[in-house]
Amino acid sequence: NAGVTQTPKFQVLKTGQSMTLQCAQDMNHEYMSWYRQDPGMGLRLIHYSVGAGITDQGEVPNGYNVSRSTTEDFPLRLLSAAPSQTSVYFCASSLVTGFVGTEAFFGQGTRLTVV
Amino acid sequence: KQEVTQIPAALSVPEGENLVLNCSFTDSAIYNLQWFRQDPGKGLTSLLLIQSSQREQTSGRLNASLDKSSGRSTLYIAASQPGDSATYLCAGKTSYDKVIFGPGTSLSVIP
Repeated sequence: NAGVTQTPKFQVLKTGQSMTLQCAQDMNHEYMSWYRQDPGMGLRLIHYSVGAGITDQGEVPNGYNVSRSTTEDFPLRLLSAAPSQTSVYFCASSLVTGFVGTEAFFGQGTRLTVV
Repeated sequence: KQEVTQIPAALSVPEGENLVLNCSFTDSAIYNLQWFRQDPGKGLTSLLLIQSSQREQTSGRLNASLDKSSGRSTLYIAASQPGDSATYLCAGKTSYDKVIFGPGTSLSVIP
């Protein structure tokens, strides 16, 4: 099935724990990105990648790491979880850079709670 | 810093009404703009894309326009249906690699 696959769908972490949110796409898209969605604030860009081996920071990168070793995968790592990172996380991909301009595909989201 | 507002934040209308959702950027330098729909607990689905050379796009009962001089976009939904109930987000491309989202308008269409 074509699309963007995110795992897990739900996660509860204790403060200080680390974890990796997985994102994979099978459409050979060059551009992938991670957003967090908080009530009343829309989606905010965390990190993005314009191709394998290339990543850059978005609007709210602190506390998160990314890597892009393959075109298909773009994992997001929380280094030391904090309650402020409680949010819904979305991974997105598109054929070319900055997906507005081409069709964008979003994953179903990961709802993360840090206690 | 570029910021996006969407008005209204929430809207409840009876079925069959025509309605207008608004999106506004503080900096009018937008390359193109896209409207998305988000259903509860789901990801985003692209609705309409307005390229930099265009002023509006139409798809079925949906029409979106963009006034680049003011940085404002409008999504018009004709003859609303209960299935239109969702959150609608606008997103603007502000540089070659950056896209900024609005906070969304939560729409409820009452049968």
